[in-house]
Amino acid sequence: GAVVSQHPSWVICKSGTSVKIECRSLDFQATTMFWYRQFPKQSLMLMATSNEGSKATYEQGVEKDKFLINHASLTLSTLTVTSAHPEDSSFYICSARDGGDGTDTQYFGPGTRLTVL
Amino acid sequence: AQSVSQHNHHVILSEAASLELGCNYSYGGTVNLFWYVQYPGQHLQLLLKYFSGDPLVKGIKGFEAEFIKSKFSFNLRKPSVQWSDTAEYFCAVTSNRDDKIIFGKGTRLHILP
Repeated sequence: GAVVSQHPSWVICKSGTSVKIECRSLDFQATTMFWYRQFPKQSLMLMATSNEGSKATYEQGVEKDKFLINHASLTLSTLTVTSAHPEDSSFYICSARDGGDGTDTQYFGPGTRLTVL
Repeated sequence: AQSVSQHNHHVILSEAASLELGCNYSYGGTVNLFWYVQYPGQHLQLLLKYFSGDPLVKGIKGFEAEFIKSKFSFNLRKPSVQWSDTAEYFCAVTSNRDDKIIFGKGTRLHILP
């Protein structure tokens, strides 16, 4: 089955520093990847849609200069949280869309827990 | 506006009970429908999906869901639940109109041993 990995699985950083999270589709090519935040006991909140080779599309209210997304290849997208603050602490999840079976199913990574001190 | 509603926020059942989790959507155009499960401490996993054909879809672990177009519903069912089914269940929809997947707020299922 389609597998999506994320690295790191958890990270703790100081306020003001930047953190990069990687999302990889391991056994399929993903022209589109998505980044979400999940707050405790809540559903996923879409942050941005990342298309390979082009600029990401951000949802309303998401600061594109703070959450930098790069989708340099068909199997890798990165999310960089710049100048992180404690309110950025959250669970960040990526998904990759497998268009190969015609259903555009999204497969999710295991998530990255970010804690900003 | 496009939306997905899951009516049951928290469900508690005993083992061997039958399960039905409701999901209704408001979405124009052709839709693909999904149920994802998130076990405690784990990531989202695809349970089943519908994109065309037989409206009764069978997924992993004995789950099934029925797409009823006239009711805009895609309810998840399992005839006999197990303790290991304790998890959070998310209904989701995509459309041929855009890239986004819209999630319901989730239903937390707790199975008593």
